[in-house]
Amino acid sequence: EFVLTQSPGTLSLSPGERATLSCRASQSISSNYLAWYQQRPGQAPRLLIYGASTRATGIPDRFSGSGSGTDFTLTISRLEPEDFAVYYCQQYGRSHPFGGGTKVEIK
Amino acid sequence: QVQLVESGGGVVQPGRSLRLSCAASGYSFRTYAIHWLRQAPGKGLEWVSAISSDSIYKYYTDSVKGRFTISRDNSIDTLYLQMDSLRPEDTAVYYCARSLIRGLWYFDLWGRGTLVTVSS
Repeated sequence: EFVLTQSPGTLSLSPGERATLSCRASQSISSNYLAWYQQRPGQAPRLLIYGASTRATGIPDRFSGSGSGTDFTLTISRLEPEDFAVYYCQQYGRSHPFGGGTKVEIK
Repeated sequence: QVQLVESGGGVVQPGRSLRLSCAASGYSFRTYAIHWLRQAPGKGLEWVSAISSDSIYKYYTDSVKGRFTISRDNSIDTLYLQMDSLRPEDTAVYYCARSLIRGLWYFDLWGRGTLVTVSS
């Protein structure tokens, strides 16, 4: 079974700080078929990154994705108030599971 | 405006049925595959079902196979999910979402969701 593990579960940071979120796959992800989503409270998820590092339309450049194989990272260079949310990674190749999410909360 | 709008959620008893709808606007609905995903209260995201642009191919997660049926009507830009034999564990917000590339199911457009509660 393909599993995506996100860490940490919760990240407590202040506005302006840098956030680093991890997504680890139980098997290597081919062609970097890895996406990241943001979900604010009470809202639908929003696509941030696909192809591990390509920003979706309209996504600010403070969001960046990196990684390959089994280890991927979402970095938010300087947290804005609207960035405090839950973030999910998703593999979208042969299967399409989601990770369990990382909550970025205000410290 | 490019958007997806779900409807049809509500409270239903175990074993009963419900049909969800998702109305698309602002883009060529018939061109793209479209999906249902769900999120149980306080939990993460789960893909549920998908249908190809031409309705030829339909896919389901194992837990809903034989109980849920996905369909679409390209003449009125609407997606459906017929949910039968509902169980308490089907309680969730159900989202419809679009994927742009055949076979690569990441979701660039989401609706706001509709809540389904299965309870006696």
